[in-house]
Amino acid sequence: KQEVTQIPAALSVPEGENLVLNCSFTDSAIYNLQWFRQDPGKGLTSLLLIQSSQREQTSGRLNASLDKSSGRSTLYIAASQPGDSATYLCAAPTTVGNEKLTFGTGTRLTIIP
Amino acid sequence: DAGVTQSPTHLIKTRGQQVTLRCSPKSGHDTVSWYQQALGQGPQFIFQYYEEEERQRGNFPDRFSGHQFPNYSSELNVNALLLGDSALYLCASSSRVRFYEQYFGPGTRLTVT
Repeated sequence: KQEVTQIPAALSVPEGENLVLNCSFTDSAIYNLQWFRQDPGKGLTSLLLIQSSQREQTSGRLNASLDKSSGRSTLYIAASQPGDSATYLCAAPTTVGNEKLTFGTGTRLTIIP
Repeated sequence: DAGVTQSPTHLIKTRGQQVTLRCSPKSGHDTVSWYQQALGQGPQFIFQYYEEEERQRGNFPDRFSGHQFPNYSSELNVNALLLGDSALYLCASSSRVRFYEQYFGPGTRLTVT
């Protein structure tokens, strides 16, 4: 059974700093992992989807990496801005070839102006 | 190109009542999944519909049921509401060709009093 863990649960950093959010998963037989952003009371916005054949995926100031052997993924945010404040969730397929996602509980990020 | 839409945005119901939530998938998508997100938690998979049939189901009681229409839109029904059903209900759509890319709607906030 896939389990996804995100640590820390909350993080506050000053504006302009680079930061890393962590995600770990138990079943490494996955072929993709997704990072989502969620603003308070809102739906999920997909940020990055990493296929297992890739080790990294980049979009603007965001960079996500995937290490299946260690069961870890990281989301790197460069030059953080107050608008980056949100909850960040990672999700992995429950089983291979299955689009049912297992989510972590998220990291609530606050960027201090 | 409209993304995933959900209605209503907010809903308040009393214990024991029944509720119906609606979802229209992103254009070109034929698969709809429903998730429940309790406050402070990651989304939990409820079930998935494809070709108007329930294909997968998470660990939710039979009080949760659904339907998919020929135009791929979907409904989530919850009977005999409990206080614990209060949550954000998220709909995600995908296509069979790229089933690993899921797009989420804004959600319906259900409050049971």
